[in-house]
Amino acid sequence: AQSVTQPDIHITVSEGASLELRCNYSYGATPYLFWYVQSPGQGLQLLLKYFSGDTLVQGIKGFEAEFKRSQSSFNLRKPSVHWSDAAEYFCAVGPFSGGYNKLIFGAGTRLAVHP
Amino acid sequence: EPEVTQTPSHQVTQMGQEVILRCVPISNHLYFYWYRQILGQKVEFLVSFYNNEISEKSEIFDDQFSVERPDGSNFTLKIRSTKLEDSAMYFCASSVRQGEQFFGPGTRLTVL
Repeated sequence: AQSVTQPDIHITVSEGASLELRCNYSYGATPYLFWYVQSPGQGLQLLLKYFSGDTLVQGIKGFEAEFKRSQSSFNLRKPSVHWSDAAEYFCAVGPFSGGYNKLIFGAGTRLAVHP
Repeated sequence: EPEVTQTPSHQVTQMGQEVILRCVPISNHLYFYWYRQILGQKVEFLVSFYNNEISEKSEIFDDQFSVERPDGSNFTLKIRSTKLEDSAMYFCASSVRQGEQFFGPGTRLTVL
């Protein structure tokens, strides 16, 4: 069955430090991969997506992610975190063969940023 | 920039009551979805809708749930008889084609 694992429930970093949020997926083929961010009380905003091609994708707000097929991973990175990046980050995978765009989300990683 | 909108932002209802959550997808999108997020849990797919019919639904989406696109702009989720466990944030999303989905800000449903 398809699944997404985000091993880190909660991460705390200092402002200006680098960040890597982990995401692993389980799927028989290469799916579309997404990272969404959710600020408190807000909806889901798309940070970046991978469909095909270059395995390093750039997103908004200075984020990037790298698709590694051999590791079934799609980790999110940012070289220098800002206090405003504190939020919850969700990795998602989809669509699936025979499906109509259903996304499967990981459990999320809550990011706290220390000044 | 076009966006998905949802109303109301917060709905409080008594157990057993019917609720209708409303969404206005992005105008040129063809695929519509509902997801929910119980507090502290992951976002879960409920249903997808294309060409005026349900294209896929999860096991959560039982007979108490229904969706409708009553006109050219709105997309609604109805829960016929709410239960305490229906309390969650409900997100509407839309997409042009397979792939990127745009999410609305959500409706927080509280069932008392």
